[in-house]
Amino acid sequence: AQSVAQPEDQVNVAEGNPLTVKCTYSVSGNPYLFWYVQYPNRGLQFLLKYITGDNLVKGSYGFEAEFNKSQTSFHLKKPSALVSDSALYFCAVRDGHYGGATNKLIFGTGTLLAVQP
Amino acid sequence: DVKVTQSSRYLVKRTGEKVFLECVQDMDHENMFWYRQDPGLGLRLIYFSYDVKMKEKGDIPEGYSVSREKKERFSLILESASTNQTSMYLCASSQGGSNQPQHFGDGTRLSIL
Repeated sequence: AQSVAQPEDQVNVAEGNPLTVKCTYSVSGNPYLFWYVQYPNRGLQFLLKYITGDNLVKGSYGFEAEFNKSQTSFHLKKPSALVSDSALYFCAVRDGHYGGATNKLIFGTGTLLAVQP
Repeated sequence: DVKVTQSSRYLVKRTGEKVFLECVQDMDHENMFWYRQDPGLGLRLIYFSYDVKMKEKGDIPEGYSVSREKKERFSLILESASTNQTSMYLCASSQGGSNQPQHFGDGTRLSIL
């Protein structure tokens, strides 16, 4: 069965420091991986995705994510955190093994990122 | 930009009422989704639709139904609201194709008293 895990409920980082939000996944085929961000009282906003190709994916707001097939991970990173990055971050996976036009995703439970000034 | 609009940001209803949550997207997307979001549980898929009048159950469909009579509109129906359906409800849409991201509305925070 498909699954995705975000092992940290909360990540604290000082402004200007690098940040990492962790995500691991389990699928039977090739994974399609996504990161979303949710600001308070808002819906989820798409940040970036990995489908195939280069393992380092760049996305919105200076975020990037590294796909590691051997470790089944897709960690979100940013070289220098901003206070405005404080939000809830969700990792999601779709199993590319299954065909069909729909892109049903499995979401992690979310990681709250708190960036201190 | 894709715009997904949910008709209400906040809604308060009573136990046993029939509740309608409406969602409209303006990008001619084939796929539409309804999730509920609860602390510590992340997003859980209730129903999704890949075409007009087509629907499939997600992971937690019990107590809910959906309607998609037009491509741009996807409605979630709570047949007889219960207190355990108090939650944040999120609607999303996407183009067809397995690698397309989903685009979300701002959510409806529903309280059942």
